[in-house]
Amino acid sequence: GENVEQHPSTLSVQEGDSAVIKCTYSDSASNYFPWYKQELGKRPQLIIDIRSNVGEKKDQRIAVTLNKTAKHFSLHITETQPEDSAVYFCAAKEAGTASKLTFGTGTRLQVTL
Amino acid sequence: DVKVTQSSRYLVKRTGEKVFLECVQDMDHENMFWYRQDPGLGLRLIYFSYDVKMKEKGDIPEGYSVSREKKERFSLILESASTNQTSMYLCASSLWQGSGDTQYFGPGTRLTVL
Repeated sequence: GENVEQHPSTLSVQEGDSAVIKCTYSDSASNYFPWYKQELGKRPQLIIDIRSNVGEKKDQRIAVTLNKTAKHFSLHITETQPEDSAVYFCAAKEAGTASKLTFGTGTRLQVTL
Repeated sequence: DVKVTQSSRYLVKRTGEKVFLECVQDMDHENMFWYRQDPGLGLRLIYFSYDVKMKEKGDIPEGYSVSREKKERFSLILESASTNQTSMYLCASSLWQGSGDTQYFGPGTRLTVL
């Protein structure tokens, strides 16, 4: 089955700086890569996703890049704000499975003033 | 707006008890999932279901079973709770593959087994 590794496990940045979180996956057949944000005490929510036929996707201050050859994808947050502080999870969906996602272990992002 | 609800936010049970966790979604989603969330381990899939009465094992099914008698409801059952099942349990739902893959999560149930 799929295996997703996520780094770093914790990340501290100053407000206004950029943050990058990286994930690698093992199954070259995986075709969908979402990112979820979980604020303290809240449920995970989708913030951005990318499919395997696209190399980059952007939504305001967040972007995701995908390198299929190297089997890794990254989340980029620019101009970080205190409300970006949360745990971020990457995930990969195996082709042919009923939307079954394999999640990374999470990155705790702390944005300091 | 998709709404996924779980029967309890907090639950305390004793070792050996049978535990039922229920999840209900109101968006007619075909797929439903049960995860457990532990610090440093991320979200690990226990079981999922892509249709009524259908179920598939996830990555950590041991010690758990599930039931899906109606499309909107997916239950997780701990036949004989053990202390290593103390965890946060999250339910999720999504549309059938090809229609969209976004998983919508419930608020979670924090289960403590004493």
